Amino acid sequence: GAGVSQSPSNKVTEKGKDVELRCDPISGHTALYWYRQRLGQGLEFLIYFQGNSAPDKSGLPSDRFSAERTGESVSTLTIQRTQQEDSAVYLCASSLASSGSPYNEQFFGPGTRLTVL
Amino acid sequence: GENVEQHPSTLSVQEGDSAVIKCTYSDSASNYFPWYKQELGKRPQLIIDIRSNVGEKKDQRIAVTLNKTAKHFSLHITETQPEDSAVYFCAGGYSTLTFGKGTMLLVSP
Repeated sequence: GAGVSQSPSNKVTEKGKDVELRCDPISGHTALYWYRQRLGQGLEFLIYFQGNSAPDKSGLPSDRFSAERTGESVSTLTIQRTQQEDSAVYLCASSLASSGSPYNEQFFGPGTRLTVL
Repeated sequence: GENVEQHPSTLSVQEGDSAVIKCTYSDSASNYFPWYKQELGKRPQLIIDIRSNVGEKKDQRIAVTLNKTAKHFSLHITETQPEDSAVYFCAGGYSTLTFGKGTMLLVSP
């Protein structure tokens, strides 16, 4: 079946502009995660959605970052007034979380490479 | 929150040798520890994971060990092959994952 997809694959923007990144999780996956990966670095957790529960926003680096998810489907990550330090690959992942096992494998999308000039 | 440290940052081995990557974590509530492999320009992919009720897990040439008391876990790759060359990330957590900074493994023929 289809895996996690993200769009666009690449985004170049000018400093100060807003950008919106999209993630389509695997159908039926109730959990969705956003990460940021700077060049040569590890994955930095940004936000976590689980079903209809309030999202865990503890990883968002500033109030310029926000994310939404409609039900258990598509999610969008919005970065307002982009800065050069926002340049990174933004990865989305989804998993089939269950009540008895809060953790299951996270399947990653291909990422969106954001470049802020 | 959770803090995951990973060592070494780079590891070079000869084909056929073993490779070991070590991670420590800080939050005793963490109960899930996956390892991901990321090839250049590609997405991370799970290679093995372990839960806190298990001390060791093996899958062919790959094994992971977990010491809950010491809060550390390790990835062992035996009989390394050039195609094992990649960046490996450990992670730990409960409802969310904290990732280590990665280990670049280079296997020379």
